[in-house]
Amino acid sequence: RKEVEQDPGPFNVPEGATVAFNCTYSNSASQSFFWYRQDCRKEPKLLMSVYSSGNEDGRFTAQLNRASQYISLLIRDSKLSDSATYLCVVTGSGGSNYKLTFGKGTLLTVNP
Amino acid sequence: DAGVIQSPRHEVTEMGQEVTLRCKPISGHNSLFWYRQTMMRGLELLIYFNNNVPIDDSGMPEDRFSAKMPNASFSTLKIQPSEPRDSAVYFCASSPPPAGYTFGSGTRLTVV
Repeated sequence: RKEVEQDPGPFNVPEGATVAFNCTYSNSASQSFFWYRQDCRKEPKLLMSVYSSGNEDGRFTAQLNRASQYISLLIRDSKLSDSATYLCVVTGSGGSNYKLTFGKGTLLTVNP
Repeated sequence: DAGVIQSPRHEVTEMGQEVTLRCKPISGHNSLFWYRQTMMRGLELLIYFNNNVPIDDSGMPEDRFSAKMPNASFSTLKIQPSEPRDSAVYFCASSPPPAGYTFGSGTRLTVV
């Protein structure tokens, strides 16, 4: 099983649609979880952290299921500016908790 | 705050040449990371420094790669000799304790 696995997409959705991305991770002892966003030919930027109880930031909702080792990101009312690659990110465990392991990303294109 | 500064932005070099990539982390961040991104492998951690000391270099591909951090405000990643398969985008990131990566804009390396 890959350390962090994502559906690569691409996802093509119209403006205003709701879209969901999923991610699984292999290390059950991973401590922290994030979603990053990467625009074409740019650096990754932190979108949001993912907490066990689930968390929301405007149109974005992140969920974590530790038992299933599964993370999700839901984007509601998608905008053209949401077009990007979304990277699922997991930290290591114990003494390796500094290490961010990235999924390969899911490409989203929001169309007018 | 100027963010993480990397140079050069683009580098094209011939196989066998030495390549040096540079990074200036955000002032006050005590952790520095070098990542490499390719289409095939995604983002991979090459090396992690904490307080200027290399802590984890297990991701460095082979002896042709070396990294240094002579002080808190500067790090280099050197490839000698370079090979076409080293072509990738190389990102530097820094982080304050305990977490929160900020990436630089990256160096796009092409080895011909």
